[in-house]
Amino acid sequence: GDSVTQMEGPVTLSEEAFLTINCTYTATGYPSLFWYVQYPGEGLQLLLKATKADDKGSNKGFEATYRKETTSFHLEKGSVQVSDSAVYFCALSDLGFGNEKLTFGTGTRLTIIP
Amino acid sequence: DTAVSQTPKYLVTQMGNDKSIKCEQNLGHDTMYWYKQDSKKFLKIMFSYNNKELIINETVPNRFSPKSPDKAHLNLHINSLELGDSAVYFCASSQVRGAYEQYFGPGTRLTVT
Repeated sequence: GDSVTQMEGPVTLSEEAFLTINCTYTATGYPSLFWYVQYPGEGLQLLLKATKADDKGSNKGFEATYRKETTSFHLEKGSVQVSDSAVYFCALSDLGFGNEKLTFGTGTRLTIIP
Repeated sequence: DTAVSQTPKYLVTQMGNDKSIKCEQNLGHDTMYWYKQDSKKFLKIMFSYNNKELIINETVPNRFSPKSPDKAHLNLHINSLELGDSAVYFCASSQVRGAYEQYFGPGTRLTVT
Protein backbone atom coordinates (compact mmCIF):
# COMPACT_ATOMS: atom_id res chain seq x y z
CA GLY A 1 0.00 0.00 0.00
CA ASP A 2 0.86 3.66 -0.12
CA SER A 3 3.07 5.11 2.58
CA VAL A 4 4.92 8.29 3.47
CA THR A 5 8.05 8.47 5.57
CA GLN A 6 9.14 11.73 7.15
CA MET A 7 12.25 12.58 9.10
CA GLU A 8 11.86 12.18 12.81
CA GLY A 9 11.36 15.29 14.86
CA PRO A 10 11.37 17.43 16.74
CA VAL A 11 13.53 19.85 14.80
CA THR A 12 14.79 22.99 16.53
CA LEU A 13 16.47 25.76 14.56
CA SER A 14 17.52 29.33 15.14
CA GLU A 15 15.78 32.11 13.28
CA GLU A 16 17.13 32.64 9.73
CA ALA A 17 18.55 29.12 9.56
CA PHE A 18 18.08 26.91 6.51
CA LEU A 19 15.39 24.25 6.82
CA THR A 20 15.10 20.84 5.24
CA ILE A 21 12.49 18.28 6.23
CA ASN A 22 12.92 15.01 4.38
CA CYS A 23 10.00 13.09 2.92
CA THR A 24 10.00 9.90 0.85
CA TYR A 25 7.06 7.94 -0.39
CA THR A 26 5.89 4.58 -1.71
CA ALA A 27 2.96 4.44 -4.10
CA THR A 28 1.58 2.04 -6.66
CA GLY A 29 0.44 4.65 -9.18
CA TYR A 30 1.31 8.24 -9.97
CA PRO A 31 0.70 10.18 -6.79
CA SER A 32 0.25 13.83 -6.14
CA LEU A 33 2.36 15.08 -3.25
CA PHE A 34 1.58 17.66 -0.60
CA TRP A 35 2.94 19.42 2.41
CA TYR A 36 0.41 20.41 5.04
CA VAL A 37 1.16 22.57 8.07
CA GLN A 38 -0.58 22.52 11.45
CA TYR A 39 -0.07 25.56 13.65
CA PRO A 40 -0.64 25.15 17.39
CA GLY A 41 -4.29 24.58 18.22
CA GLU A 42 -5.42 24.68 14.59
CA GLY A 43 -6.39 22.31 11.81
CA LEU A 44 -4.16 21.42 8.90
CA GLN A 45 -3.62 23.83 6.04
CA LEU A 46 -2.25 23.02 2.63
CA LEU A 47 1.20 24.58 2.31
CA LEU A 48 2.16 23.45 -1.18
CA LYS A 49 1.62 20.67 -3.69
CA ALA A 50 3.07 19.03 -6.79
CA THR A 51 1.07 16.81 -9.09
CA LYS A 52 3.69 15.32 -11.38
CA ALA A 53 7.36 14.48 -11.54
CA ASP A 54 9.79 17.45 -11.55
CA ASP A 55 7.06 19.88 -10.48
CA LYS A 56 8.11 22.34 -7.82
CA GLY A 57 5.54 23.48 -5.29
CA SER A 58 6.16 26.74 -3.45
CA ASN A 59 4.40 28.97 -0.94
CA LYS A 60 5.42 31.40 1.82
CA GLY A 61 9.11 30.87 1.04
CA PHE A 62 8.82 27.08 1.30
CA GLU A 63 9.65 24.86 -1.66
CA ALA A 64 9.53 21.16 -2.49
CA THR A 65 10.36 19.36 -5.74
CA TYR A 66 8.70 16.11 -6.82
CA ARG A 67 11.57 13.71 -7.49
CA LYS A 68 10.29 10.51 -9.02
CA GLU A 69 13.73 8.94 -9.35
CA THR A 70 14.33 9.17 -5.60
CA THR A 71 10.62 9.04 -4.62
CA SER A 72 11.15 12.14 -2.52
CA PHE A 73 9.47 15.48 -1.80
CA HIS A 74 11.73 17.27 0.65
CA LEU A 75 10.55 20.57 2.13
CA GLU A 76 13.02 23.47 2.20
CA LYS A 77 13.10 27.07 3.29
CA GLY A 78 16.08 29.37 3.06
CA SER A 79 15.50 31.45 6.17
CA VAL A 80 13.01 30.35 8.80
CA GLN A 81 11.10 32.62 11.14
CA VAL A 82 9.64 32.10 14.59
CA SER A 83 6.19 32.11 12.98
CA ASP A 84 7.13 28.94 11.04
CA SER A 85 7.01 26.92 14.26
CA ALA A 86 4.41 24.23 13.59
CA VAL A 87 3.98 20.56 12.72
CA TYR A 88 4.61 19.75 9.06
CA PHE A 89 3.01 16.76 7.34
CA CYS A 90 4.02 15.25 4.04
CA ALA A 91 1.16 13.50 2.25
CA LEU A 92 0.28 11.77 -0.98
CA SER A 93 -2.88 11.13 -2.92
CA ASP A 94 -2.73 8.29 -5.40
CA LEU A 95 -5.80 9.01 -7.48
CA GLY A 96 -4.78 6.79 -10.36
CA PHE A 97 -5.83 3.65 -8.55
CA GLY A 98 -9.10 5.01 -7.21
CA ASN A 99 -7.44 5.75 -3.92
CA GLU A 100 -9.01 9.05 -3.08
CA LYS A 101 -7.66 9.54 0.38
CA LEU A 102 -4.64 11.41 1.63
CA THR A 103 -1.96 9.25 3.20
CA PHE A 104 0.04 11.26 5.71
CA GLY A 105 3.49 10.94 7.16
CA THR A 106 3.89 11.03 10.91
CA GLY A 107 4.53 14.78 11.02
CA THR A 108 7.65 16.73 11.97
CA ARG A 109 7.45 19.28 14.76
CA LEU A 110 9.50 22.37 13.97
CA THR A 111 10.45 24.91 16.61
CA ILE A 112 12.24 28.12 15.67
CA ILE A 113 14.01 29.98 18.44
CA PRO A 114 14.76 33.72 18.22
CA ASP B 1 -16.91 32.94 7.46
CA THR B 2 -15.47 29.66 8.66
CA ALA B 3 -15.00 27.27 5.75
CA VAL B 4 -15.09 24.00 7.70
CA SER B 5 -16.46 24.17 11.22
CA GLN B 6 -16.71 21.52 13.91
CA THR B 7 -18.58 21.38 17.19
CA PRO B 8 -17.71 20.97 19.92
CA LYS B 9 -14.08 22.03 20.05
CA TYR B 10 -13.49 20.08 23.26
CA LEU B 11 -15.37 17.05 24.51
CA VAL B 12 -14.66 15.34 27.82
CA THR B 13 -16.72 12.29 28.67
CA GLN B 14 -16.64 8.99 30.53
CA MET B 15 -16.10 5.52 29.20
CA GLY B 16 -19.23 3.87 27.92
CA ASN B 17 -21.00 7.08 26.95
CA ASP B 18 -22.26 7.91 23.45
CA LYS B 19 -21.26 11.22 21.86
CA SER B 20 -21.51 13.04 18.55
CA ILE B 21 -19.28 15.51 16.74
CA LYS B 22 -20.74 17.74 14.07
CA CYS B 23 -19.09 19.10 10.97
CA GLU B 24 -20.31 21.63 8.44
CA GLN B 25 -18.65 23.12 5.38
CA ASN B 26 -19.83 26.20 3.51
CA LEU B 27 -17.50 25.78 0.54
CA GLY B 28 -19.99 23.97 -1.66
CA HIS B 29 -17.72 20.93 -1.72
CA ASP B 30 -18.99 17.49 -2.69
CA THR B 31 -16.72 15.34 -0.54
CA MET B 32 -16.17 15.29 3.22
CA TYR B 33 -13.83 13.30 5.46
CA TRP B 34 -13.17 12.36 9.05
CA TYR B 35 -9.59 11.93 10.30
CA LYS B 36 -8.27 10.83 13.67
CA GLN B 37 -5.05 12.32 15.06
CA ASP B 38 -3.52 10.44 17.96
CA SER B 39 -1.34 11.79 20.76
CA LYS B 40 1.78 11.43 18.61
CA LYS B 41 0.21 13.58 15.89
CA PHE B 42 -0.25 10.63 13.54
CA LEU B 43 -3.15 11.39 11.23
CA LYS B 44 -5.28 8.66 9.70
CA ILE B 45 -8.41 8.79 7.59
CA MET B 46 -11.54 7.18 9.02
CA PHE B 47 -14.32 7.88 6.52
CA SER B 48 -15.12 9.87 3.43
CA TYR B 49 -18.49 10.75 1.91
CA ASN B 50 -19.26 12.04 -1.56
CA ASN B 51 -22.69 13.64 -1.99
CA LYS B 52 -23.95 11.79 1.08
CA GLU B 53 -22.60 8.44 -0.16
CA LEU B 54 -19.98 6.55 1.87
CA ILE B 55 -16.80 6.19 -0.17
CA ILE B 56 -14.09 5.20 2.28
CA ASN B 57 -14.40 3.27 5.52
CA GLU B 58 -10.95 2.51 6.86
CA THR B 59 -11.44 -0.44 9.21
CA VAL B 60 -12.93 1.72 11.89
CA PRO B 61 -14.79 -0.06 14.75
CA ASN B 62 -18.55 -0.33 14.33
CA ARG B 63 -18.93 1.94 17.34
CA PHE B 64 -18.13 4.82 14.98
CA SER B 65 -20.98 5.75 12.67
CA PRO B 66 -20.78 8.68 10.27
CA LYS B 67 -23.94 10.33 9.07
CA SER B 68 -24.31 12.77 6.20
CA PRO B 69 -27.76 14.42 6.12
CA ASP B 70 -26.70 16.55 3.16
CA LYS B 71 -23.47 17.21 1.32
CA ALA B 72 -22.60 20.17 3.57
CA HIS B 73 -22.70 18.14 6.78
CA LEU B 74 -20.90 15.07 8.02
CA ASN B 75 -21.44 14.08 11.63
CA LEU B 76 -19.61 11.44 13.61
CA HIS B 77 -21.40 9.44 16.28
CA ILE B 78 -19.42 7.27 18.67
CA ASN B 79 -21.06 4.63 20.84
CA SER B 80 -19.68 3.07 24.00
CA LEU B 81 -16.64 5.32 24.17
CA GLU B 82 -13.33 3.74 25.17
CA LEU B 83 -10.13 5.24 26.56
CA GLY B 84 -8.39 4.58 23.23
CA ASP B 85 -10.85 6.85 21.46
CA SER B 86 -9.19 9.86 23.05
CA ALA B 87 -7.73 11.86 20.18
CA VAL B 88 -8.28 14.92 18.04
CA TYR B 89 -10.83 14.35 15.30
CA PHE B 90 -10.61 16.46 12.16
CA CYS B 91 -13.26 16.98 9.56
CA ALA B 92 -12.17 17.97 6.05
CA SER B 93 -13.73 18.63 2.67
CA SER B 94 -12.65 18.72 -0.94
CA GLN B 95 -14.27 20.26 -3.97
CA VAL B 96 -14.96 17.03 -5.78
CA ARG B 97 -14.28 13.37 -5.22
CA GLY B 98 -10.58 12.76 -5.60
CA ALA B 99 -9.68 16.45 -5.57
CA TYR B 100 -6.12 17.21 -4.69
CA GLU B 101 -6.67 19.71 -1.92
CA GLN B 102 -8.56 19.14 1.29
CA TYR B 103 -9.69 21.85 3.67
CA PHE B 104 -9.58 20.96 7.34
CA GLY B 105 -11.68 22.05 10.26
CA PRO B 106 -10.10 23.17 13.56
CA GLY B 107 -10.49 19.77 15.19
CA THR B 108 -12.39 18.35 18.16
CA ARG B 109 -10.31 17.17 21.08
CA LEU B 110 -12.05 14.18 22.62
CA THR B 111 -10.93 13.02 26.06
CA VAL B 112 -12.40 9.82 27.47
CA THR B 113 -11.89 9.30 31.20
